[in-house]
Amino acid sequence: GENVEQHPSTLSVQEGDSAVIKCTYSDSASNYFPWYKQELGKRPQLIIDIRSNVGEKKDQRIAVTLNKTAKHFSLHITETQPEDSAVYFCAAGPTNSGYALNFGKGTSLLVTP
Amino acid sequence: GAVVSQHPSWVICKSGTSVKIECRSLDFQATTMFWYRQFPKQSLMLMATSNEGSKATYEQGVEKDKFLINHASLTLSTLTVTSAHPEDSSFYICSARDSLRETQYFGPGTRLLVL
Repeated sequence: GENVEQHPSTLSVQEGDSAVIKCTYSDSASNYFPWYKQELGKRPQLIIDIRSNVGEKKDQRIAVTLNKTAKHFSLHITETQPEDSAVYFCAAGPTNSGYALNFGKGTSLLVTP
Repeated sequence: GAVVSQHPSWVICKSGTSVKIECRSLDFQATTMFWYRQFPKQSLMLMATSNEGSKATYEQGVEKDKFLINHASLTLSTLTVTSAHPEDSSFYICSARDSLRETQYFGPGTRLLVL
């Protein structure tokens, strides 16, 4: 089945710096790669996603890149702010379970003022 | 984004009792919903895929007789934890797939504590 690896597990940056989180996946059939932000005790919130026919997508301070040949995709957050502090999960799908997603283990991002 | 609700938001129950959790898509129809479990500081683990009008598909290692799933309408899926035990204590999150947007949206989660 699909295996999604996510690095780093923790990331600490200073406010205003950029943050990059990387994920790799194993199933070449995967074609949908969303990123979720989860604050403590809350639901994961979709922040950006990319599909396999696109190499890069940007939404204000957030961008995602996809390299299908290498089977990896990355989340880039520029001009980080303290409110960006949260756990970020990458995911890949579809899976053998249909449209279900396989999630990475998460990256705990801390943005210090 | 689309709205998914989940009820209850938290529940405390005695060991051996059953607990039902509801997941609703409020502004779209979801033929497919998913149930995840999340332990503290860990990732989301898929438990089962819930398909409207048919049997749920369970992931390996998830007991279908213990975690009963019903998806009777296009906007509602329920997860019943039967004969709950302390090791079932966890954060249960559902998600619903919006087929038009081809995206999943998560419910707010249900925190279950079994004493």
